Amino acid sequence: AQTVTQSQPEMSVQEAETVTLSCTYDTSESDYYLFWYKQPPSRQMILVIRQEAYKQQNATENRFSVNFQKAAKSFSLKISDSQLGDAAMYFCAYRRGGADGLTFGKGTHLIIQP
Amino acid sequence: DVKVTQSSRYLVKRTGEKVFLECVQDMDHENMFWYRQDPGLGLRLIYFSYDVKMKEKGDIPEGYSVSREKKERFSLILESASTNQTSMYLCASSLWGGGANVLTFGAGSRLTVL
Repeated sequence: AQTVTQSQPEMSVQEAETVTLSCTYDTSESDYYLFWYKQPPSRQMILVIRQEAYKQQNATENRFSVNFQKAAKSFSLKISDSQLGDAAMYFCAYRRGGADGLTFGKGTHLIIQP
Repeated sequence: DVKVTQSSRYLVKRTGEKVFLECVQDMDHENMFWYRQDPGLGLRLIYFSYDVKMKEKGDIPEGYSVSREKKERFSLILESASTNQTSMYLCASSLWGGGANVLTFGAGSRLTVL
């Protein structure tokens, strides 16, 4: 079974600074997809960024980027110029190619200090 | 602009009661999912459905059942609620086919079983 590990239960960063959230996964598959989701307090979960395993180029969405290290099975999320609105739980998720469901990590609680 | 609607944000039930959690999506998605979210455990898949009347067990189906009589509606049923089912329940939907398809989540239903 695939597992997704987020080793940082909580992270804190100063506003306008850069923070990196870690995620590792365990799989024997070659075809898979990786996601970062954000869950703001009392609000619904939304997609931050996604990465296809067959793509070597790291995905980027505005201030959010990933460092995808396929050999190391690592998928970290970098948030640049942190804003107060970035405060949330962040979940890393994995999908095996051909499957529909996602396997989620336990989440990282990101605190933004003003 | 609400796309996945969970009928109840907060519920309080008694042990042994039958509980229905309802979820409706308006995006014509084939797949629908029920996840359970607990602090320190992340999201765990209970059941998912890829078509009307079709369902598959997820990682923690024990104590739960589901119903999908119409494409847009997916219900989670607790036949006899127990205190260890106190949790946040998240419904999600997606297009069929997995891959890079994104899950769209509802706002969640927080269930307390006394």
